[in-house]
Amino acid sequence: EVQLVESGGGLVQPGGSLRLSCAASGFTFSSYWMSWVRQAPGKGLEWVANIKQDGSEKYYVDSVKGRFTISRDNAKNSLYLQMNSLRAEDTAVYYCARVGYGLVAFDIWGQGTMVTVSS
Amino acid sequence: EIVLTQSPATLSLSPGERATLSCRASQSVSSYLAWYQQKPGQAPRLLIYDASNRATGIPARFSGSGSGTDFTLTISSLEPEDFAVYYCQQRSNWLRYTFGQGTKLEIK
Repeated sequence: EVQLVESGGGLVQPGGSLRLSCAASGFTFSSYWMSWVRQAPGKGLEWVANIKQDGSEKYYVDSVKGRFTISRDNAKNSLYLQMNSLRAEDTAVYYCARVGYGLVAFDIWGQGTMVTVSS
Repeated sequence: EIVLTQSPATLSLSPGERATLSCRASQSVSSYLAWYQQKPGQAPRLLIYDASNRATGIPARFSGSGSGTDFTLTISSLEPEDFAVYYCQQRSNWLRYTFGQGTKLEIK
């Protein structure tokens, strides 16, 4: 079964850091671009970052540039998101997603992990 | 940044009726457009990619059309499980992505 499972969410104070992980199974992880997408409570979806198969290219939404870092370990079939200098507006469910169909769409999603930034 | 505007914000229909959801881009996205369905407490599910291609396992009652700046998701005959929030999403030439704000499809 093709599956993505996120972990690492929680409550963190403004200015703090958190590292999210995503474990992939059921497909050849090293063959796909991967992304993080977030959804603030009661709001819509926002793409956060993506990373090429070998990690050589990374792209970010402007609001997280310089604060978040996407990375991957193909030997461990894992995707990561290091989040620093967290702000209240980063509060959201963070989804790990596989980029498929010619890099147009996110075809496989994890169940999400909640990040709450609050004092 | 390309902005996607979805309309209407809320659509109230009955099972068996036809649903037509719209997504308009602030500039051309060619056919690099996808549609998702999201139910409460669940992750989004990909329905349509490349504007008009159904993803694996998606029923034939879902169809997509359009190119350039105007796109439509049509559900030919609504089933009870189709009531959800629908998002469109585009991919730019620089491998950045944006989503529309969503259309809530509710039971009338």
